[in-house]
Amino acid sequence: AQSVTQLGSHVSVSEGALVLLRCNYSSSVPPYLFWYVQYPNQGLQLLLKYTTGATLVKGINGFEAEFKKSETSFHLTKPSAHMSDAAEYFCAVRAQSGTASKLTFGTGTRLQVTL
Amino acid sequence: EAEVAQSPRYKITEKSQAVAFWCDPISGHATLYWYRQILGQGPELLVQFQDESVVDDSQLPKDRFSAERLKGVDSTLKIQPAELGDSAMYLCASSWRGRNTEAFFGQGTRLTVV
Repeated sequence: AQSVTQLGSHVSVSEGALVLLRCNYSSSVPPYLFWYVQYPNQGLQLLLKYTTGATLVKGINGFEAEFKKSETSFHLTKPSAHMSDAAEYFCAVRAQSGTASKLTFGTGTRLQVTL
Repeated sequence: EAEVAQSPRYKITEKSQAVAFWCDPISGHATLYWYRQILGQGPELLVQFQDESVVDDSQLPKDRFSAERLKGVDSTLKIQPAELGDSAMYLCASSWRGRNTEAFFGQGTRLTVV
């Protein structure tokens, strides 16, 4: 069965600082990996995804993530944090489970951006 | 831009009452998901449909929860009877067929059981 682990339930950075949110996955088959963002009382919005090909994936709002198979990681980064980046971020893995292609989420990391 | 529609946005119900949520996925999306998200946690899959068929309901509490997608388009999730522990955000999502596709989420229904 596939799963994801997000290290750090809360991360705080200063505006303009580097954002690094960590995600490690477990999957017995090649995974498809996603990062989503959620603002309060809203649904989830896709930031970026890795399926095949280039291991460095660029997403919306200046975010990017690198798939590292040897480390089973898919960390999310942004060079310079903005106040509007404050939200909850979820890493997710999709892999076949029986007859279903199941999308499994991590527990989330709340990003706080301070002045 | 196409969106996943959910209603209602907010629902307050008394315990032991019945409650239902509705979801209309993006047109053409064969796969529909219902997730439950408890405050401060990640979404947990309750049920997944491929067209009108259930392909995963392993985490659905079947003694009180039911879900249907009769014509393979919109879907209803029902809880009867509701319990205090059911208070959560219920998220509907949809996607194209295929393992490399992302899920598109609706705004969710915030359920409070009192």
